[in-house]
Amino acid sequence: GAGVSQTPSNKVTEKGKYVELRCDPISGHTALYWYRQSLGQGPEFLIYFQGTGAADDSGLPNDRFFAVRPEGSVSTLKIQRTERGDSAVYLCASSQRSWGNSPLHFGNGTRLTVT
Amino acid sequence: AQKITQTQPGMFVQEKEAVTLDCTYDTSDPSYGLFWYKQPSSGEMIFLIYQGSYDQQNATEGRYSLNFQKARKSANLVISASQLGDSAMYFCAMREARGGGADGLTFGKGTHLIIQP
Repeated sequence: GAGVSQTPSNKVTEKGKYVELRCDPISGHTALYWYRQSLGQGPEFLIYFQGTGAADDSGLPNDRFFAVRPEGSVSTLKIQRTERGDSAVYLCASSQRSWGNSPLHFGNGTRLTVT
Repeated sequence: AQKITQTQPGMFVQEKEAVTLDCTYDTSDPSYGLFWYKQPSSGEMIFLIYQGSYDQQNATEGRYSLNFQKARKSANLVISASQLGDSAMYFCAMREARGGGADGLTFGKGTHLIIQP
């Protein structure tokens, strides 16, 4: 596709439920990133994939959060037993390279609301 | 210590004036890159400009330029001839060569720029 696509654009769920957020990166981009952005804050790093493997998951806040990218393209961020504090915009980005002047191209995000 | 510091939470500027948005960074890596992104109220993150630590000249992209002062660890964004459409959040971000784990970008808290007619 022309840009990074994220679905759904909005997700409302009840506390304790499980959610999946999907990201379809720009074709050919091997690096994929998940960020979380709370109101009035900058994006906060969660996890980075190079190809199919998670190269760095140091930003995942706890073991309720997990992400996969099984075929090196589409990625899914999974959140178990959601809590109200998980409410935020979840941004996905991809880039051609994970170094140098290669910018991250962001999707429009998924706004997650946990009630 | 914060890796990226943006000290201006909000700024009001008259249309057509030049704007400088401040950004200071902290790294011990000799090789790093600095990025600026614009986030309008619609929420999309738009890449504006890049400066590499070894670049000899300040980066420019149209009305955007980067005032890079390496010794001061400063990478301020300058917007010339501001327009109403420049109203948005602006984020400074850094990519370190291999520091701290992430090969992604570390973002500052942003500056909310409002252009007044």
